[in-house]
Amino acid sequence: AQSVTQPDIHITVSEGASLELRCNYSYGATPYLFWYVQSPGQGLQLLLKYFSGDTLVQGIKGFEAEFKRSQSSFNLRKPSVHWSDAAEYFCAVVPQTGANNLFFGTGTRLTVIP
Amino acid sequence: KAGVTQTPRYLIKTRGQQVTLSCSPISGHRSVSWYQQTPGQGLQFLFEYFSETQRNKGNFPGRFSGRQFSNSRSEMNVSTLELGDSALYLCASSLDLNEKLFFGSGTQLSVL
Repeated sequence: AQSVTQPDIHITVSEGASLELRCNYSYGATPYLFWYVQSPGQGLQLLLKYFSGDTLVQGIKGFEAEFKRSQSSFNLRKPSVHWSDAAEYFCAVVPQTGANNLFFGTGTRLTVIP
Repeated sequence: KAGVTQTPRYLIKTRGQQVTLSCSPISGHRSVSWYQQTPGQGLQFLFEYFSETQRNKGNFPGRFSGRQFSNSRSEMNVSTLELGDSALYLCASSLDLNEKLFFGSGTQLSVL
């Protein structure tokens, strides 16, 4: 079955520590891949996206993600977390071209402790 | 440039009623998508409109419908509301396919 899996429901990191959020997808072909962030009571903001080409993608706010076809993964990373990064993070895919419909993972809630 | 505007921000309805939510996309954006967000089901795609035509539809019952006007503004309607329809409804706009989606802050619907 087609799916997007974020295995970590909740992650707590100390401010200044590195961060990696996991995302695995299950689709027949390489989908378009995205990471979004949602702060409480807000909509979603795009952090970065992967369509093709270089498998290491740079995004906003110092985030990056690496696409690994062999592992069907698209993990999000940040070398040094700031308190303002506390939010919910969603991995999403568009499984085909000609469509704008995103399929989201269940999200990972990030808590940052001082 | 104004962002995606959704109205109203909060809405309380009772079972059996119907509701209409509104979304004004960013100026120039022709694609509008709708998503439902609940704690149990997460974020789920409802439908997408492009130039007044529904281009894609998610797996929701026929009680959920939408439309897009010539100025790209979009509305979604839910008829015969059920308790399970309580959710945050998010609208997103983009210039076209595979372009960056910009999300509004959503309409929080509570069905009592």
